[in-house]
Amino acid sequence: GAVVSQHPSRVICKSGTSVKIECRSLDFQATTMFWYRQFPKQSLMLMATSNEGSKATYEQGVEKDKFLINHASLTLSTLTVTSAHPEDSSFYICSAREGADGYTFGSGTRLTVV
Amino acid sequence: GDSVTQMEGPVTLSEEACLTINCTYTATGYPSLFWYVQYPGEGLQLLLKATKADDKGSNKGFEATYRKETTSFHLEKGSVQVSDSAVYFCALRDFGNAGNMLTFGGGTRLMVKP
Repeated sequence: GAVVSQHPSRVICKSGTSVKIECRSLDFQATTMFWYRQFPKQSLMLMATSNEGSKATYEQGVEKDKFLINHASLTLSTLTVTSAHPEDSSFYICSAREGADGYTFGSGTRLTVV
Repeated sequence: GDSVTQMEGPVTLSEEACLTINCTYTATGYPSLFWYVQYPGEGLQLLLKATKADDKGSNKGFEATYRKETTSFHLEKGSVQVSDSAVYFCALRDFGNAGNMLTFGGGTRLMVKP
């Protein structure tokens, strides 16, 4: 079946630094990828929708200058958290779409900003 | 707009008990419906899906029937196991949704005790 690789799985960074999270579709081409944020014991909050070769579409309230998304190829999307602060600590999950209803999720990245 | 409402957890059951997690939805079009499962510290895995009214999705002993008349997609399992302990998310994709993203319910935590 379809596989999405997301890494790193865990990252600890100092406040003020930037962190890049990668999301790769391993055996299919994903024209659309999604980035979610999940707070403890809560549901997934869609941050942005990323289409290959175009600018990402951000959900209301999500700072596009803070959460930079690049979808340079059909198999890779990256999320960069710039100038991270402790309130950015969270679990980030990517998803890649194949076909009409094929949504495959990465295993998530636990970001801790200290 | 689209929305998904699922019963709040946690749901605590003994092994071999019957499980029902309620899920209802509102959508402007004719959505596809999904159940995802999330194990601790991991991303989401597709459990089952249904794409049209009266379809029944099933996998690993779990079932859910797409009920258009009651706008519901309840998850059921006849006999749960300790390994079923996880968080379950109901979701929909509305074909009228230009963003093609999934809309998630709040998640229901299931704890199965031996």
